[in-house]
Amino acid sequence: EAQVTQNPRYLITVTGKKLTVTCSQNMNHEYMSWYRQDPGLGLRQIYYSMNVEVTDKGDVPEGYKVSRKEKRNFPLILESPSPNQTSLYFCASARGRDYEQYFGPGTRLTVT
Amino acid sequence: EDQVTQSPEALRLQEGESSSLNCSYTVSGLRGLFWYRQDPGKGPEFLFTLYSAGEEKEKERLKATLTKKESFLHITAPKPEDSATYLCAVQANNAGNMLTFGGGTRLMVKP
Repeated sequence: EAQVTQNPRYLITVTGKKLTVTCSQNMNHEYMSWYRQDPGLGLRQIYYSMNVEVTDKGDVPEGYKVSRKEKRNFPLILESPSPNQTSLYFCASARGRDYEQYFGPGTRLTVT
Repeated sequence: EDQVTQSPEALRLQEGESSSLNCSYTVSGLRGLFWYRQDPGKGPEFLFTLYSAGEEKEKERLKATLTKKESFLHITAPKPEDSATYLCAVQANNAGNMLTFGGGTRLMVKP
């Protein structure tokens, strides 16, 4: 089944404790992206990647890092999480720059 | 700055009562406008892409249309299973691959 998977689905952590949210797609898509969704602010893009080793900032990249060492994986790294990063995070992938994006199931992160 | 505004924020319909959702946008050169459906606790699910004014696309009870300033998602004879949040997003020619999303319209269809 073609899908985007994210792990973990739920995470509660404390301020400053480094964490990684994994994202993997099995559709051989070149394009991958991370979003956060907050009430009243909608979906906002954090980072995206056009292909392996190619990443770029979205609207709200501060406090996040990403890497794209393999085509199928695009992990999101929070090196020193803060409470304002409490949010619902979605990973997405697409065939290429002009194609529709397919979203993962989401990761609900709480930083206390 | 690219902007997307969706209205209404929430819409309650009776089963079978047709209506339209609006997505107004300002963008410096539109590459594409996307409609997604999002169920509670799930990721957005792709519905349509529109590229140029005058374009229309249909899927079951949904029909999306596009003008130079806005897009409409028409829902004909909705059913309770159409209840969801509908999201609109634009991709600008000069914005790399960034998508700018609107705030969404929460649709509730009562039987």
